[in-house]
Amino acid sequence: ETGVTQTPRHLVMGMTNKKSLKCEQHLGHNAMYWYKQSAKKPLELMFVYNFKEQTENNSVPSRFSPECPNSSHLFLHLHTLQPEDSALYLCASSQVERETSYEQYFGPGTRLTVT
Amino acid sequence: GQNIDQPTEMTATEGAIVQINCTYQTSGFNGLFWYQQHAGEAPTFLSYNVLDGLEEKGRFSSFLSRSKGYSYLLLKELQMKDSASYLCAVKDSNYQLIWGAGTKLIIKP
Repeated sequence: ETGVTQTPRHLVMGMTNKKSLKCEQHLGHNAMYWYKQSAKKPLELMFVYNFKEQTENNSVPSRFSPECPNSSHLFLHLHTLQPEDSALYLCASSQVERETSYEQYFGPGTRLTVT
Repeated sequence: GQNIDQPTEMTATEGAIVQINCTYQTSGFNGLFWYQQHAGEAPTFLSYNVLDGLEEKGRFSSFLSRSKGYSYLLLKELQMKDSASYLCAVKDSNYQLIWGAGTKLIIKP
């Protein structure tokens, strides 16, 4: 595997379900990101992990819970979602040195549909 | 507030040239990125500008004017495979990326 991988690629879940999205980066980067992409809207940054520590949480509802067990893996745990949470969820990684972050590399995304 | 503006959609002809504009108002500036995203795929990095001027990379060039809060992506010798969305993103004073909504580029034969 190369680059950034995400599983599953597609997910349909009911509002009472619990599921997890998985992301893995094979680039040796030290920062990982979760984004939400809705149609015709800017990418919304949800969570950032630098050196496995969460450094950003942009007022994301508690029904989204991130987990970063090591610098290569990132999870997004989902529970009691709402239909408006249906979107493409993108994972990205980058190298961060001091205060500089380089370009981000994205995974293919998980297309989530909440019914 | 922070804002990135780019046209929603543009249409161009195969073999022609197209310029996609991006204007920004952000709290600080630490560089501007352009990404390409084909439908159903991940965004991929195209270019990075932090100083004023033109950066050329093959058929693609990116220009930056920090005083005007303005950038453009120039695509030459358009090919059908260039049909995609082009995302502009600015790194603000906290080194976080602020994203535009993207410009969908449609290439016609």
